[in-house]
Amino acid sequence: AQSVTQLDSHVSVSEGTPVLLRCNYSSSYSPSLFWYVQHPNKGLQLLLKYTSAATLVKGINGFEAEFKKSETSFHLTKPSAHMSDAAEYFCVVSGRTGRRALTFGSGTRLQVQP
Amino acid sequence: DTAVSQTPKYLVTQMGNDKSIKCEQNLGHDTMYWYKQDSKKFLKIMFSYNNKELIINETVPNRFSPKSPDKAHLNLHINSLELGDSAVYFCASSFLSSGTVVEQYFGPGTRLTVT
Repeated sequence: AQSVTQLDSHVSVSEGTPVLLRCNYSSSYSPSLFWYVQHPNKGLQLLLKYTSAATLVKGINGFEAEFKKSETSFHLTKPSAHMSDAAEYFCVVSGRTGRRALTFGSGTRLQVQP
Repeated sequence: DTAVSQTPKYLVTQMGNDKSIKCEQNLGHDTMYWYKQDSKKFLKIMFSYNNKELIINETVPNRFSPKSPDKAHLNLHINSLELGDSAVYFCASSFLSSGTVVEQYFGPGTRLTVT
């Protein structure tokens, strides 16, 4: 079984300050992990994915995430928030080969203040 | 050149009606999915097809029936619609290969409102 816990339902930052969105996972095997973003009334866009090639993963729009197996965490960060970053962010774990359903976290709403 | 498309984008209908949502992908993927996003933004898998074969069938009412005429299309038919079916439905596609991390590409969603 696999699960994902996003520790904050809502995060508010000021423009230009760092962003930290926290995610913990549970998986009985080596997981495939993703972060997706959903802007208001839009579809889901892949930000980045963990491939096991490197624990620090760089994504689009300046986001990155670090896989920490000892802490079962995959936190999403960005050095400097932009107004356009305001959206819902989902931490996601993928099923095993043959059953690729994604298990989504409950989401974190990022608000960026001017 | 849309990768995953869904029609319609919005669907408003009355209880008891039957409706369909269509999904098409032009990415050459062999696997397609339907997810439901509820009013609290929670997303959950409903179905998945690989090369027209059902591989995931989560616990959803049998009023929901997916149909895959070919590997580029996965439609969702819903019978006897209920108020609780109101949600945003997302279609997605990917490859189902072993040994690699494969991401899913999502359509824009269909907002279904049952009145």
